[in-house]
Amino acid sequence: AQTVTQSQPEMSVQEAETVTLSCTYDTSESDYYLFWYKQPPSRQMILVIRQEAYKQQNATENRFSVNFQKAAKSFSLKISDSQLGDAAMYFCAYKGETSGSRLTFGEGTQLTVNP
Amino acid sequence: EPEVTQTPSHQVTQMGQEVILRCVPISNHLYFYWYRQILGQKVEFLVSFYNNEISEKSEIFDDQFSVERPDGSNFTLKIRSTKLEDSAMYFCATTGLAGGPQETQYFGPGTRLLVL
Repeated sequence: AQTVTQSQPEMSVQEAETVTLSCTYDTSESDYYLFWYKQPPSRQMILVIRQEAYKQQNATENRFSVNFQKAAKSFSLKISDSQLGDAAMYFCAYKGETSGSRLTFGEGTQLTVNP
Repeated sequence: EPEVTQTPSHQVTQMGQEVILRCVPISNHLYFYWYRQILGQKVEFLVSFYNNEISEKSEIFDDQFSVERPDGSNFTLKIRSTKLEDSAMYFCATTGLAGGPQETQYFGPGTRLLVL
């Protein structure tokens, strides 16, 4: 079974600084998709960024980028120029090409942004 | 931008009662999912639904749970006889036309269920 691990329960960053959230996963599949979701205090799950495993190029979305290391099974999220609105719980999630349509989530990392 | 909506936002019920949680998917989305998140824990997959059938379910999704799309718009999750441990946030998610693993799942705002 696939597992997703986020080893940082909490992280903090100063406004305008950069922070990196870690995620590792375990799978025997060769094709899969990885996601970062943000969950603000309202608790709605908002997609931040996604990465296809077959793509070597790291995905970027404005201030958000990933460092995808397929061999190491690592998928970290970098937030540049952190803003107060970035404060939230961040979940890493995995979806396999052949293992059904379910998303498998990590434990989450609570990000605090200090003014 | 189209959104997934869920009702109610909060529900309090007595143990043993039935609850129905409702979701309105993004228009033209055909694949639907339910997840739950017990307070302080991971988000867990419950069930996926396509073409009026369950396509996949987790070990959590036992006989107490059922899903349906009664009127072609709402997608519902029914818990027949709630238990204390059913207290959680329940999220609906939907996926676009292709429905494959490459599709991004878009989540609703969740229903917070409290069983007393």
